[in-house]
Amino acid sequence: EAQVTQNPRYLITVTGKKLTVTCSQNMNHEYMSWYRQDPGLGLRQIYYSMNVEVTDKGDVPEGYKVSRKEKRNFPLILESPSPNQTSLYFCASSTQPNYGYTFGSGTRLTVV
Amino acid sequence: AQSVTQLDSHVSVSEGTPVLLRCNYSSSYSPSLFWYVQHPNKGLQLLLKYTSAATLVKGINGFEAEFKKSETSFHLTKPSAHMSDAAEYFCVVTLNTGFQKLVFGTGTRLLVSP
Repeated sequence: EAQVTQNPRYLITVTGKKLTVTCSQNMNHEYMSWYRQDPGLGLRQIYYSMNVEVTDKGDVPEGYKVSRKEKRNFPLILESPSPNQTSLYFCASSTQPNYGYTFGSGTRLTVV
Repeated sequence: AQSVTQLDSHVSVSEGTPVLLRCNYSSSYSPSLFWYVQHPNKGLQLLLKYTSAATLVKGINGFEAEFKKSETSFHLTKPSAHMSDAAEYFCVVTLNTGFQKLVFGTGTRLLVSP
């Protein structure tokens, strides 16, 4: 089944403890993105990647890192999480963005 | 720069009545437009997309949307609401140049009563 898989689905962590949210797609897509969803703000792009080793900042990159060493994987790294990064995170991939994206099921992160 | 405005944060309808979710966009270039649906505790699912072909676009689950360039609108409609349509709906615009970044509206929550 074609899909984007995120792990974990739920995560509670403490301020300052490094964490990684994994994202993997099995559709051989070039384009991948990370978004965060907050009430009343819709989805905002954190980082995106156009292919292996090609990444760039989105609208809200502060406090996040990404890497794209393989085409299928696009992990999101929070080196020192803070409470304002409590949010619902989505990974998405596409072969061509104007065809539409396939989204993962989301990761709900709480930083206390 | 492109932007999207969803004119209603909440829309309430009765089952069996028409649905209208409004979306206006702003884009300097020829846009691609999408509607996504998000059911509670689920990811986003693509409902339909406009990419400069036919202006009336049909999607899944009986939804359709009409691209009106003169009005810069891309409203989502469905003739008859079903209880399972209750969800949050996002209008999305992207440029057809460069990375083709997605810009999301803030969402419209559709409530369907029996």
